[in-house]
Amino acid sequence: DAGVIQSPRHEVTEMGQEVTLRCKPISGHNSLFWYRQTMMRGLELLIYFNNNVPIDDSGMPEDRFSAKMPNASFSTLKIQPSEPRDSAVYFCASSLGGYGSPLHFGNGTRLTVT
Amino acid sequence: GESVGLHLPTLSVQEGDNSIINCAYSNSASDYFIWYKQESGKGPQFIIDIRSNMDKRQGQRVTVLLNKTVKHLSLQIAATQPGDSAVYFCAENVSGYSTLTFGKGTMLLVSP
Repeated sequence: DAGVIQSPRHEVTEMGQEVTLRCKPISGHNSLFWYRQTMMRGLELLIYFNNNVPIDDSGMPEDRFSAKMPNASFSTLKIQPSEPRDSAVYFCASSLGGYGSPLHFGNGTRLTVT
Repeated sequence: GESVGLHLPTLSVQEGDNSIINCAYSNSASDYFIWYKQESGKGPQFIIDIRSNMDKRQGQRVTVLLNKTVKHLSLQIAATQPGDSAVYFCAENVSGYSTLTFGKGTMLLVSP
């Protein structure tokens, strides 16, 4: 079991640049979640997909953020243009889906925007 | 990994002691709860879960207690080891929803 795989592990970019974070969920999992973690806000849900369809994106901060899931084994979170306040650790998680299914997290992407 | 400890409550214990980490939840409709462990540089890792029709559930060296009356959850770790040092999060789920809401976390520091 390879677990949830995220890339890159670290990303340093300049303000205004586009950033793309990638995630491969656990095979067979139907739900995929993007979270952001900061010291001030803790873990915040940005968006989640069920069967590749976005279900709730109410946590996406603003239009600069977008997420896609073109197939069951891949998802991206894009920030364009990036800003220093976007600096955080971004986690992808997957689950079998539905109520009562534990989330399994990747090891995150640490994003630093200068 | 990112340091999340500066603003977190911290519990310091000696190796071999029992640890109790507490969590208060706010949504009375929550009926499924999970404890996660997050080590530095890693994502949260599932430890144990409990449904609201139970008061207690035991795993290997860990026990979760649920008190629905006061909306309180606790994680007990027996014979705490240095490898248990991490940030621990409780998370809650409301029936009918797929998403989890996470608490702010507690840092556990275990001294040899």
